[in-house]
Amino acid sequence: GAGVSQSPRYKVAKRGQDVALRCDPISGHVSLFWYQQALGQGPEFLTYFQNEAQLDKSGLPSDRFFAERPEGSVSTLKIQRTQQEDSAVYLCASSLYEMGTIYFGEGSWLTVV
Amino acid sequence: QKEVEQDPGPLSVPEGAIVSLNCTYSNSAFQYFMWYRQYSRKGPELLMYTYSSGNKEDGRFTAQVDKSSKYISLFIRDSQPSDSATYLCAIQGAQKLVFGQGTRLTINP
Repeated sequence: GAGVSQSPRYKVAKRGQDVALRCDPISGHVSLFWYQQALGQGPEFLTYFQNEAQLDKSGLPSDRFFAERPEGSVSTLKIQRTQQEDSAVYLCASSLYEMGTIYFGEGSWLTVV
Repeated sequence: QKEVEQDPGPLSVPEGAIVSLNCTYSNSAFQYFMWYRQYSRKGPELLMYTYSSGNKEDGRFTAQVDKSSKYISLFIRDSQPSDSATYLCAIQGAQKLVFGQGTRLTINP
């Protein structure tokens, strides 16, 4: 595709519900990132994949957060037992190669009620 | 202390003014310096990207990096209402980006 595509764009979840957020990176991009952006803040790193390998997950805030990229293309960020503090925009980004220019999607806006 | 510090503003200036946006960072290992622009309810889009100390120009935008003082700046000349957005500085070390808080900028016609 022309850009990084994320779905759903908007998600309202009840506290305790599991959610799954999908990212379709730019075709051929090797590196894929997930960031979390709280209201009025800059994006914060969650995790990084190179192809299907998750090389860095140091930013995942708890073991309720899980990300995968099984075939080295589409990625899913899963949040189990959502809490109110999980409300944020979840941004996916990709780059053609390691240390390449990073392009962002429009984000998935998660509200936990 | 955050790795990247950025004044969140908000900053409001009249159309045509020169805008100066700034960030400081703490880790001298950072190698690449970016400015992203983020419109409301959109993802960040890359504006400028520099590697070394000095200035880089692109149209009305100038990015400046001073590695000795760990200070980066973005200047916008002849600002337009369409420049109204949040501007995020970002530093790249290893693979990931570390962002500042973002400065919310409004250009008033």
